This record gives sequence, structure tokens and C-alpha cells, in this order.
Amino acid sequence: KNQVEQSPQSLIILEGKNCTLQCNYTVSPFSNLRWYKQDTGRGPVSLTIMTFSENTKSNGRYTATLDADTKQSSLHITASQLSDSASYICVVSFISNFGNEKLTFGTGTRLTIIP
Amino acid sequence: ETGVTQTPRHLVMGMTNKKSLKCEQHLGHNAMYWYKQSAKKPLELMFVYSLEERVENNSVPSRFSPECPNSSHLFLHLHTLQPEDSALYLCASSQVQGLTSYEQYFGPGTRLTVT
Repeated sequence: KNQVEQSPQSLIILEGKNCTLQCNYTVSPFSNLRWYKQDTGRGPVSLTIMTFSENTKSNGRYTATLDADTKQSSLHITASQLSDSASYICVVSFISNFGNEKLTFGTGTRLTIIP
Repeated sequence: ETGVTQTPRHLVMGMTNKKSLKCEQHLGHNAMYWYKQSAKKPLELMFVYSLEERVENNSVPSRFSPECPNSSHLFLHLHTLQPEDSALYLCASSQVQGLTSYEQYFGPGTRLTVT
């Protein structure tokens, strides 16, 4: 069964500190992996998209890594800001039996930045 | 803003009411999606429309009825809902070429409470 598991479930850190969120998946065949940020009461917004051949991708203070062999990804946030408080969702895309692309969502990590 | 709008943002309805959720995308995409997001659960894909045709219905109860009159608008008609249907309903759009779906852009969601 295709699954995406994220850890930790929630995290609280001080403003200015770094943190790393984890994503493990069992999705196959893999197409791409995406990290989304979802602010409270808003829809998810894409941070990064990585294909099989990409090991790392950055978007400002956000850096995502992908190890397709171990089926693990991480999202590293540098010098956290209060506006980083949100849920971070890992989404893995796979190719269905019908040949079309489908998404499997993780439950997300709830990150809280405190001043 | 992501270019996808949803109305209303909040909705409270009784189990015997009939209401509709509206989604509009201004991105020129050719596919639109309805998702359900419940607390501590991954996003659940409900319906997919591609080129105004419903291409996916993930075993959603018939009390949810989608409508896609054109490529920019998507509706979700609700009737005789249950309290467990209370959730955040997210609309998304993307560009689809062949079997490949590119990045999905989400609206802000409608927070639905069924009493």
C-alpha cells in the first residue's frame, strides 16, 4: 500500500533556530516528491518539487533533500521566522496502474516558532 | 494568492440543508480537484475533472455532487450531510498534459461544519 509518513507530528522551536522535518514513503513507482506549506486556515502552497534524479533543492531558507534509494526526504528550515509557523506536508507522486499520475499525502508536521 | 478562490470560506449547515461550494481558478489550467481535509488525516482526493470531464471519483458518498460547467469553475453540491462530513474542503487546479499532471495550486478552502 502506498503510504507517506512524516515525523515529528509536531515541533516547537525558538525563532532563529534551524529544524529538520522528515518524510518516509513506500510509494511506487515514484514520480516526484513535493513539500507543501499550509498556514492555518489556508490551502497548501508548494515549496519544492523533486524528481528521482534530484538530491537536493532549495527555496530561500527551505532546503529539501531526497534519497530515492532509502525512500526518505527531509525539509530543512534555516534561521526560522515566526511566519514559518505552519503545517508542512510531504506529497509523493506515483504512476497508477492506468498510467496516470496520482498523489499520496502525508499527515503533515505542525511547526510552531516561538519568539 | 495562488490564483484559486473558494467561496464561502466558512459554512455551517444542518443535516437537512442543501448548499454549494464554489471554486474558481484564474490560472488557465485544464484540471480541477476537490479534496477533503479532516483533522490529523491526510488530504483525501474526492473528485478530479480534466477538460471539464469527471475522470476520478474516489468512492465519495452521493450526498456530495460535483459540477464543472467550464474549465475555470468547479462546484460541490451538498445535501443531507452527516456531522462526520465536517472538514476543510480544498479546491485545486493544475495543468494536465497527457498522463502528466503538473503542480497543483490550492485555494484557501471552505471550513464546513455540519450540525
